[in-house]
Amino acid sequence: RKEVEQDPGPFNVPEGATVAFNCTYSNSASQSFFWYRQDCRKEPKLLMSVYSSGNEDGRFTAQLNRASQYISLLIRDSKLSDSATYLCVVNTGAGRRALTFGSGTRLQVQP
Amino acid sequence: GAGVSQTPSNKVTEKGKYVELRCDPISGHTALYWYRQSLGQGPEFLIYFQGTGAADDSGLPNDRFFAVRPEGSVSTLKIQRTERGDSAVYLCASSQTGTSPQYFGPGTRLLVL
Repeated sequence: RKEVEQDPGPFNVPEGATVAFNCTYSNSASQSFFWYRQDCRKEPKLLMSVYSSGNEDGRFTAQLNRASQYISLLIRDSKLSDSATYLCVVNTGAGRRALTFGSGTRLQVQP
Repeated sequence: GAGVSQTPSNKVTEKGKYVELRCDPISGHTALYWYRQSLGQGPEFLIYFQGTGAADDSGLPNDRFFAVRPEGSVSTLKIQRTERGDSAVYLCASSQTGTSPQYFGPGTRLLVL
């Protein structure tokens, strides 16, 4: 079983739609959680950290459920520019600084 | 300010050759990380430096891979006796401290023929 699992998609949605991505992680001791965005042939870029209480950044809302070991990302009012791969990322803690990435969920926003 | 830079951006080599990949972190960032990304997968951790020392090298696949950061800034990832399976994008990231967000460079695309 992979440490971080995501639905690879692709999710094809029209502009203006709301889309949600989910992710599960296997290590219950994980301490930090992030969503990164990666455009084709580019490096991953930090989209947002995910906090236990849930957090919002403009059109993006992230939530964490520690009991279910589940992380979500909600994108409202999708833009063409949101088309990318979204990577769910976990730091397993215990003194480790390495990030563990899911394989990513591909989003294609269509006009 | 300047982000993480990596050179070369592309490297084509032959099986069995030695390659060096360079990473220049964001100025002032004490933590530096190397990851490897294969097509269709997320990046996989290789090694983490805090200052000059390798604090965690548990992700290095075997002893053909080695990395250094002699002055606590620039890092070099070295791969000996390259194999076709080493073909991937090698990503470098840096962070201000070991617990700060990590920022990635553009990567080096390595192709071993």
